[in-house]
Amino acid sequence: SAVISQKPSRDICQRGTSLTIQCQVDSQVTMMFWYRQQPGQSLTLIATANQGSEATYESGFVIDKFPISRPNLTFSTLTVSNMSPEDSSIYLCSGTRGNTGELFFGEGSRLTVL
Amino acid sequence: AQKITQTQPGMFVQEKEAVTLDCTYDTSDQSYGLFWYKQPSSGEMIFLIYQGSYDEQNATEGRYSLNFQKARKSANLVISASQLGDSAMYFCAMREHIYGGSQGNLIFGKGTKLSVKP
Repeated sequence: SAVISQKPSRDICQRGTSLTIQCQVDSQVTMMFWYRQQPGQSLTLIATANQGSEATYESGFVIDKFPISRPNLTFSTLTVSNMSPEDSSIYLCSGTRGNTGELFFGEGSRLTVL
Repeated sequence: AQKITQTQPGMFVQEKEAVTLDCTYDTSDQSYGLFWYKQPSSGEMIFLIYQGSYDEQNATEGRYSLNFQKARKSANLVISASQLGDSAMYFCAMREHIYGGSQGNLIFGKGTKLSVKP
C-alpha cells in the first residue's frame, strides 16, 4: 500500500490563527486530495492538490481560507487560515495509486480551535 | 439526492458472528467503483475492499466480502467472524467515471458505527 505521512497529528489552536498541515506521499501516488471530517460526520472533499499549479476547490471551499500547495509529486500542504471553532475537524490527506484508483489516507490531523 | 446511502447509523454484533453493513448508491454512470473503508477511533481511514461495476464476481478480502447487487444498486459489506477490533466506523464510497482509468475523488456515505460485543 502507498505510504502517506501527515503532520501534525493533532493540535489545539487559538481563534484567528492559521495552521499548516504537511503531507508526504511515496512516489507511486498520482493524485492527491484533501478532505475534512467534522465531528461525527463523513468526509467532505476540500480540494484536489495539483502539482505545480493552483488546487481545484470544491463548492464551499475557497483558496483564501484553505490555501493548498503541491510543489512536487510527493508533497503537499494545506493551511487552515484565520481559524474559528467551526474549523475544528480532522483534516485528511489522501492519494490515489493503481488500477482501481484506491484512495489511501494519511493518519489525519485532528484540529481543535478554541 | 445522496449518492451514497448508509441507512444504519449504528450496528451491534456479537463477537464471532457475521454482520452486514448496508450501502446503496445512485449513479447514471455505467463505469464506477465502490469502496469500503474502516475508521477506528484513532481517526485513520483504512481501505478494506473494492468492487468495480464491471466485475462479475463479488469482491472478497479475507473476512470482508462485498455483496454487490448491481440492479438494486447496493454494495453491502459482509464481515465474517467479527472480532473486537472490528469496532469502528465504516464508510461506503463511490467513484464515478472510472472508464479509462479516472482517479477522481470518492464520494462518501455518512457511515455506520459498528460495535462488536464480547
